[in-house]
Amino acid sequence: SQQGEEDPQALSIQEGENATMNCSYKTSINNLQWYRQNSGRGLVHLILIRSNEREKHSGRLRVTLDTSKKSSSLLITASRAADTASYFCAANQAGTALIFGKGTTLSVSS
Amino acid sequence: DVKVTQSSRYLVKRTGEKVFLECVQDMDHENMFWYRQDPGLGLRLIYFSYDVKMKEKGDIPEGYSVSREKKERFSLILESASTNQTSMYLCASSTRLAGADDTQYFGPGTRLTVL
Repeated sequence: SQQGEEDPQALSIQEGENATMNCSYKTSINNLQWYRQNSGRGLVHLILIRSNEREKHSGRLRVTLDTSKKSSSLLITASRAADTASYFCAANQAGTALIFGKGTTLSVSS
Repeated sequence: DVKVTQSSRYLVKRTGEKVFLECVQDMDHENMFWYRQDPGLGLRLIYFSYDVKMKEKGDIPEGYSVSREKKERFSLILESASTNQTSMYLCASSTRLAGADDTQYFGPGTRLTVL
């Protein structure tokens, strides 16, 4: 069963613009994680936000978490062509494996 | 750095063949996972294992089995491959150590085509 659902499914922007992706989940979580996947490759962990945190930064990444709305957003500032990839959120619920959403495909053109 | 390796990047098999996909991790992780990824469906969990000789069904175990004889190795077995098992297969591992937060480390994937 899908726990995380990303929105939008696809996003196309120009280099230098910001990219925002949203994720909704269904049940209480320990943390919410974001992963990146380059075309045809495995996923790479980007950033994690715990259930008692509201915002977290890592370089050009900013993640927010609203547990009352069961939603999270990932913001990539000043996007580069190299940011072109698929981005997945994954909800971490106690006692179960991570449950991944279907992903947002980001295309950054120069 | 954690390294998760998968035995093949690309694999072509015929319908009815028995297929083995191997995954090895080098960080002494307790947990290992197999997913399949299909366009529009995201990652779907097939099986996972929390310890040697342990296995748990994920969301789509039908048509698959797994084996975990050693801590570092987790094998996915397609007993009789079918065309609807054509997919990208991803292996991942994670540790239960405190503070690890269940972060998963992925292999590069195996793109399996069943003809």
